[in-house]
This record gives sequence, C-alpha cells and structure tokens, in this order.
Amino acid sequence: NAGVTQTPKFQVLKTGQSMTLQCAQDMNHNSMYWYRQDPGMGLRLIYYSASEGTTDKGEVPNGYNVSRLNKREFSLRLESAAPSQTSVYFCASSEARRAWDSNQPQHFGDGTRLSIL
Amino acid sequence: AQSVTQPDIHITVSEGASLELRCNYSYGATPYLFWYVQSPGQGLQLLLKYFSGDTLVQGIKGFEAEFKRSQSSFNLRKPSVHWSDAAEYFCAVGPFGNEKLTFGTGTRLTIIP
Repeated sequence: NAGVTQTPKFQVLKTGQSMTLQCAQDMNHNSMYWYRQDPGMGLRLIYYSASEGTTDKGEVPNGYNVSRLNKREFSLRLESAAPSQTSVYFCASSEARRAWDSNQPQHFGDGTRLSIL
Repeated sequence: AQSVTQPDIHITVSEGASLELRCNYSYGATPYLFWYVQSPGQGLQLLLKYFSGDTLVQGIKGFEAEFKRSQSSFNLRKPSVHWSDAAEYFCAVGPFGNEKLTFGTGTRLTIIP
C-alpha cells in the first residue's frame, strides 16, 4: 500500500530557481493538503484542496502555488525560491468531503526536504 | 481562534517507564482532538483521536489519551515505553466545520536504556 507518495525526497535549490513538489495518493481521498514543518513551529498549512479542481489558501501561502491535477495528484510549486522556504514539506490526504471534516484523519507522506541556498 | 500548546519541547524517559505528554487546547466548543507521531525521516502517523463519548481513548502502539474538558487538556499516556517509541509527537485540534486543523509544536521523546 503506497498511501501518499511525495517526490523528490530531497532537493537543493539556488535562490530564484523554481521547482514543483509532487504528491500522489492512491486511497481515493477527496481532500489533499500541503504543509511545511519548521523547527519549533510544528506544521503549518500552505494550501489545501477539498476536491479536484478546487484549491484554497492555508496559513502560509505566500510564495507558493498549487495545482490539483486530478483526484490523485496535488502539486506544490515554488516560482522563485527563497532561503526562507527551506523546510520539510509534507503532503497529506483525507477522506473528508469538506476539507476540514475533522472526523477523517489525515494520512501523510514521508516529506520532501528542501534546502534553498 | 483555536490553538494548541504542547508545553514540553523535549522529554527523556527510561525504557519501561511510564510516559505522559501534555497537550492543552483553546477552542470555544468541543473540539476534535488528535495525537500524531513522527518517526525520524518520516511523515506523521495517527495514534488516536477523540470526537465524543468516552473521554479515555485508546490508540495504536499501546497509547491512550484522556480528554479533560475542565482543564482543556488531551494528554497522551503510555504505561511502559519501548525504545521504538522514540519520536516526535504532535497534538492537533480540529473543530467541526470548515476551519483548519491546528497542530502543536511537538514534543520530542528520547528513550534511554
């Protein structure tokens, strides 16, 4: 069972470069999420998607764009990377039909460790 | 606005000892509460969740948590820890409705032999 798959696992970028982080889930989940994890700050939501074709901003969306290509895939794009975006990025999915039906737990990928020099 | 506080950044316990990780939340109504565990280099895994009913909930890996409304707490416990429990633990709160899930800043657990 693959669950939530994130690619790549590691990436180093130079300031100003662009990059897309990929996320795919095989659980037929409706909702998908992108978080960033920074030391001492827990997880902060960047964007989420309650269904194919819909996306909404989370707590820290600036500098990012997302695309819900289909039900399985939800990508996160950094158009012009900045050192402040050095972080570990997690994708998650849940069965929730509304993004925040909290009785549906979120399933997480293993993360993408991104360093921006 | 909802919030979650995990007052302990790092806890060290001996293998076989009991464990309690603290979580306090702030929310105007009855929240949905979760505990997640993150092993090094991996994503978060759900340990247990509380929605309603019995205030003592059982989770995977021998963990349990107790919801105490009067104290706005949802502490995680385990009677006897194993070396494999070394990880980071996150408490999260999610209200019923369309607001986002809020995570605490995490507690890192170290197990000593």
